[in-house]
Amino acid sequence: EAGVAQSPRYKIIEKRQSVAFWCNPISGHATLYWYQQILGQGPKLLIQFQNNGVVDDSQLPKDRFSAERLKGVDSTLKIQPAKLEDSAVYLCASSPEGLAAPVFGPGTRLTVL
Amino acid sequence: AQRVTQPEKLLSVFKGAPVELKCNYSYSGSPELFWYVQYSRQRLQLLLRHISRESIKGFTADLNKGETSFHLKKPFAQEEDSAMYYCALSGRTNAGKSTFGDGTTLTVKP
Repeated sequence: EAGVAQSPRYKIIEKRQSVAFWCNPISGHATLYWYQQILGQGPKLLIQFQNNGVVDDSQLPKDRFSAERLKGVDSTLKIQPAKLEDSAVYLCASSPEGLAAPVFGPGTRLTVL
Repeated sequence: AQRVTQPEKLLSVFKGAPVELKCNYSYSGSPELFWYVQYSRQRLQLLLRHISRESIKGFTADLNKGETSFHLKKPFAQEEDSAMYYCALSGRTNAGKSTFGDGTTLTVKP
């Protein structure tokens, strides 16, 4: 089966600019996750979708981050405006349902200058 | 609050030697524990989870609720085991809502 796809793989922006990341989960996976992984740390969950509904966004900095999964398949994560501390790898993952461990995509490495 | 601690950032062993990657956790309730691995230039992937009680690539991990630990062990390390290993914890009903440790880089020397 095709894995989780993410684009772009790398992005460099200046602070206060906006950026968007795209994720296409494994076909049939109802649950989609976005994680932020800062260098030297483990992944931190930002938001979890079940189909097109948000299950948990308690750790999403909602003043600058937003995410959507309008048709219950693809998802986008946006940062506006970006700060230096947003430099990280943004991982998308999906699973058939909540009990299954997530399958991770390759990640998008964001550098904010 | 739930927390995962991996006390060693770096671990280096020789090929054929036993290896143990430590993981300690704090959680109120019944946790689900995982080990994930990321090989060089590859994606983060699940290695094993405690409810499966499987041995994957020769690795095992036992949940010790008394010591709140979930150490990963392999009796004879191989060079291909060199990777970054993350311990993670979640509740029983939502495996993706995990708290991850900061990882241990394992290097197996020839």
